[in-house]
Amino acid sequence: EAGVAQSPRYKIIEKRQSVAFWCNPISGHATLYWYQQILGQGPKLLIQFQNNGVVDDSQLPKDRFSAERLKGVDSTLKIQPAKLEDSAVYLCASSHIIKRGYGYTFGSGTRLTVV
Amino acid sequence: DAKTTQPNSMESNEEEPVHLPCNHSTISGTDYIHWYRQLPSQGPEYVIHGLTSNVNNRMASLAIAEDRKSSTLILHRATLRDAAVYYCILMSGAGSYQLTFGKGTKLSVIP
Repeated sequence: EAGVAQSPRYKIIEKRQSVAFWCNPISGHATLYWYQQILGQGPKLLIQFQNNGVVDDSQLPKDRFSAERLKGVDSTLKIQPAKLEDSAVYLCASSHIIKRGYGYTFGSGTRLTVV
Repeated sequence: DAKTTQPNSMESNEEEPVHLPCNHSTISGTDYIHWYRQLPSQGPEYVIHGLTSNVNNRMASLAIAEDRKSSTLILHRATLRDAAVYYCILMSGAGSYQLTFGKGTKLSVIP
C-alpha cells in the first residue's frame, strides 16, 4: 500500500514568515497525527485528528500554529509567523481507527529551517 | 502515558544478535509495549508490539518480563541497515492512543 505522503520535503524561510505543510495519509486511516521533532530529540505530538475532528491539540502552540483536516483525508499544518525555535522536522502519521496495538505509519517528514 | 527508560546508545557488530533493553516499572495492566525505530532522515517505523506474551515477527522479537516491568527488543542478526534510533513506547489503554516518544536508544552497527 502507498505510504503517508508529505510535502514539501525541505523548506527554508525567514523568521516571521508563514509556512504550510501538507500530508496525505494512507487510504482508509481515520486517525492522523502531526509531530514536531527537534534535532536530537524524539518526536513530540502536536495534534491528533479522528476523521476531520480534533481529538487532542493540547501541545499545539495555537498562537502561531494551526492545522486542519478537510473531509477527513488530507491535512495541512501552518505556522504563522515562524520563529527560529520552530526549526525542526514535522512528521505526519496515520493509523486505522482506534485499536490499540496497530502500527502507526509515518511519513518521511518536512525539514523546516527558520533563519 | 507511563514512562520508559532506555540506554542512550548501544553498539553491535554486524551479523551478531542485539538486545535492546527497556524499563517501564510503572506500566499499567492495559498498556501495550510498542517498539519503533527511526532510520536517518526518515520518519519512525513500526517494529513490533506486545502486551504480555513474547512476540516474533519478520523484523524482530519482543521479550516481555513476567512482571511486565521491562522488555527487550531482539534483533537476531544486526545489519548495517539496522543502525537507527529505537524507541520503546507504552500506549495508554484508554482514550486517545497516542505514541509518546522519549529519546530512545541510538544503535550503531559496526561492520
